[in-house]
Amino acid sequence: DTGVSQDPRHKITKRGQNVTFRCDPISEHNRLYWYRQTLGQGPEFLTYFQNEAQLEKSRLLSDRFSAERPKGSFSTLEIQRTEQGDSAMYLCASSLGRQTAVDTQYFGPGTRLTVL
Amino acid sequence: GENVEQHPSTLSVQEGDSAVIKCTYSDSASNYFPWYKQELGKRPQLIIDIRSNVGEKKDQRIAVTLNKTAKHFSLHITETQPEDSAVYFCAASRFAGNLIFGKGTKLSVKP
Repeated sequence: DTGVSQDPRHKITKRGQNVTFRCDPISEHNRLYWYRQTLGQGPEFLTYFQNEAQLEKSRLLSDRFSAERPKGSFSTLEIQRTEQGDSAMYLCASSLGRQTAVDTQYFGPGTRLTVL
Repeated sequence: GENVEQHPSTLSVQEGDSAVIKCTYSDSASNYFPWYKQELGKRPQLIIDIRSNVGEKKDQRIAVTLNKTAKHFSLHITETQPEDSAVYFCAASRFAGNLIFGKGTKLSVKP
């Protein structure tokens, strides 16, 4: 499968614990996005990377959230001191990063986080 | 902030009928409008998209129209089939920017 992959697919944790998710984008895609989706809602933007540089963060991304893309390939999203309100599906997407043309974002299967 | 409104939230049609979903966006600088289909428990998948310099685009049974002046865009599905049942999301963005999604429309196609 050459699409976007995410790991783990499901994570159950207790409130206050730290969790880390991984996203592997489509090969040669320069842009990588993180979104959060809660039940009955559309995905909400969290942050994105152009290669290894984190270019934008949403106000939804509190200081408990951190994301990295150290070598411009895979990315990790860490949530520290999880809260029940963090329970959601965390989606990763990647794109070629074309600035002046259609830049289709392809989504991964998501990581479903449940905070007890 | 930037916002995308989507209507209706649920839509039920008989197989073979047409379905129309409408969205409005607030950021006048948006120039890219994709539509994603998400089946239960699966990833969002792009079904069609349109750039701001085009008023209409069609791909078999699916078409999208864009009215930049009114900041409206719509998805049209003709000859609906049970396998079209899913949640559909509209989105808007600037080129190579993050997507702002609507809240989704749950489409049910009854055989």
